[in-house]
Amino acid sequence: EIVLTQSPGTLSLSPGERATLSCRASQSVSSSYLAWYQQKPGQAPRLLIFGASSRATGIPDRFSGSGSGTDFTLTISRLEPEDFAVYYCQQYGSSPWTFGQGTKVEVK
Amino acid sequence: EVQLVESGGGLVQPGGSLRLSCAASGFTFSNYIMNWVRQAPGKGLECVSYISSSSSTIYYSDSVKGRFTISRDDAKNSLYLQMNSLRDEDTAVYYCAVQGVRRPFWGQGTLVTVSS
Repeated sequence: EIVLTQSPGTLSLSPGERATLSCRASQSVSSSYLAWYQQKPGQAPRLLIFGASSRATGIPDRFSGSGSGTDFTLTISRLEPEDFAVYYCQQYGSSPWTFGQGTKVEVK
Repeated sequence: EVQLVESGGGLVQPGGSLRLSCAASGFTFSNYIMNWVRQAPGKGLECVSYISSSSSTIYYSDSVKGRFTISRDDAKNSLYLQMNSLRDEDTAVYYCAVQGVRRPFWGQGTLVTVSS
């Protein structure tokens, strides 16, 4: 199965700053079937990005995804107060689905 | 519109059993691999089981192998997870999920609490 490694584990930033989150796969992700989720305490994961770079419905354009093969990035161009949360990457191109361990974006 | 609705969660004692169900609609259920994903409190996401179309391939994570059984009823557009010999560490929200044409779809989840 594909192992996903996210970095950093925690990102301490201020509102208005740019956030760059990394997700590295142990082998190539099929058809760039890589997704990013945002999760806040007590809530289900919310799909932000699918297909490595496509925004899900209703997701603001400050969120963008890029990458292919084994290296993927989620960028939040300017952090809003509601963006402080935990972010997970997921590959769904091969079974079993696997997930990164998460990156926490916290207020500096 | 793809919809996945889980049910069957609840409080169960260690060693007990529970059967989760997932009702699917908005797509041709029989054609798709179906997944159960869980998230324990304060932890990450884990795919515990999947079943291929026609049930020809079944996967279990090491953490549930021998205790959980996945099945599907294509006539009822339903997915199931029979959970036996439940342990404290099985406490989690369980999600039913499917890969759509380009993106994954998830249900809202059902909470399983294993506690005496």
